[in-house]
Amino acid sequence: DTAVSQTPKYLVTQMGNDKSIKCEQNLGHDTMYWYKQDSKKFLKIMFSYNNKELIINETVPNRFSPKSPDKAHLNLHINSLELGDSAVYFCASSLLDRPLYGYTFGSGTRLTVV
Amino acid sequence: EDQVTQSPEALRLQEGESSSLNCSYTVSGLRGLFWYRQDPGKGPEFLFTLYSAGEEKEKERLKATLTKKESFLHITAPKPEDSATYLCARGSGGSNYKLTFGKGTLLTVNP
Repeated sequence: DTAVSQTPKYLVTQMGNDKSIKCEQNLGHDTMYWYKQDSKKFLKIMFSYNNKELIINETVPNRFSPKSPDKAHLNLHINSLELGDSAVYFCASSLLDRPLYGYTFGSGTRLTVV
Repeated sequence: EDQVTQSPEALRLQEGESSSLNCSYTVSGLRGLFWYRQDPGKGPEFLFTLYSAGEEKEKERLKATLTKKESFLHITAPKPEDSATYLCARGSGGSNYKLTFGKGTLLTVNP
């Protein structure tokens, strides 16, 4: 009954490879997010989607491409992986018209690029 | 630019020793101040939302307060299970609403 689930939990890959991370929420939320948490534990927003429409795109390299097939799913595809992409990636969801309810986060995907 | 600054970066307490964590933030355009708890290897877990100066919220040994420029998370008589990283976040925007997080305070409570 996980509210926000991400797969995989761990991902180890070589530089230059392409990889995807998937996220699904069963909370009935209409907005989903990708956050990156670096080695210093700093959590920074990357993207957000509302009802499959991209509404936030922070300064993120073009190698990162989010896709939302429906409002319950948000995937993150990363091309040509670099060492600096190593981090924990968190998916989150919320209701856009109830911002004070906060976000619900998934448990994270630890990406290690070697 | 949205800014959230938390202090201290790390705090070590003895069980039962009360203390407070601080969060200061960019005031302009604020739409909610949030506290989250993050345990190692897990995602942040929502604790509180504060909206107006003077507002207070409590949950077990935690109490969050909000002034015009700062928020405090007071921990009363902490237990070892309160050990975690506590994250403060600032909400802003309308249709592009987002949370901007601070770097967190790593709290360790020794038995």
